[in-house]
Amino acid sequence: EVQLLESGGGLVQPGGSLRLSCAASGFTFNNYGMTWVRQAPGKGLEWVSTITNSASTTYYTDSVKGRFTVSRDNSRNTLYLQMNSLRAEDTAIYYCAKLLAGYPNLWGQGTLVTVSS
Amino acid sequence: EIVLTQSPATLSLSPGERATLSCRASQSVSSYLAWYQQKPGQAPRLLIYDTSNRATGIPARFTGSGSGTDFTLTISSLEPEDFAVYYCHQRGSWPLTFGGGTKVEIK
Repeated sequence: EVQLLESGGGLVQPGGSLRLSCAASGFTFNNYGMTWVRQAPGKGLEWVSTITNSASTTYYTDSVKGRFTVSRDNSRNTLYLQMNSLRAEDTAIYYCAKLLAGYPNLWGQGTLVTVSS
Repeated sequence: EIVLTQSPATLSLSPGERATLSCRASQSVSSYLAWYQQKPGQAPRLLIYDTSNRATGIPARFTGSGSGTDFTLTISSLEPEDFAVYYCHQRGSWPLTFGGGTKVEIK
């Protein structure tokens, strides 16, 4: 079965760090670019970051540049998002997604990150 | 940053009716626009990509059109399972952006 499974979310204090993981299965992971999209509670979707299939290029939305780092381990079929200096406005469900023609196609179920003291 | 403005914010319709959703970009995205459907508690689902291409398994009642800055998602005849929130999304330039969403609710 083709699927993505996120983990690593939780409650963290402002200024803290978390690393999200996204385990892929059912497809050839190293053939596809991957992306992170987040959704604050009751709000719309926000693109966060994208990484190419070979990890040669990464992209970030301005609000997370310098704080978040996307990476992948193609030998482990896993995508990561290292989040540092977390802020209250980073509170959201974080989805990982596989790209099709540059668009998020296959999505995980999401993992909730709550930044609060 | 390209801003995507969706209208209306809410569309109240009955099953069987036609739904027309709009997405306007602050500058051209060429044809690099997609539409997603999201139901409560679920991840979004890709419906349409590159303006008019239906994703795998998407029924023919979903049609995308437009180019440049003005795009439309049409649902020809609403089924009960189509009541949800719809988002447009552009990949024409970085940073990628999503519209604010249109909620299609049962009238």
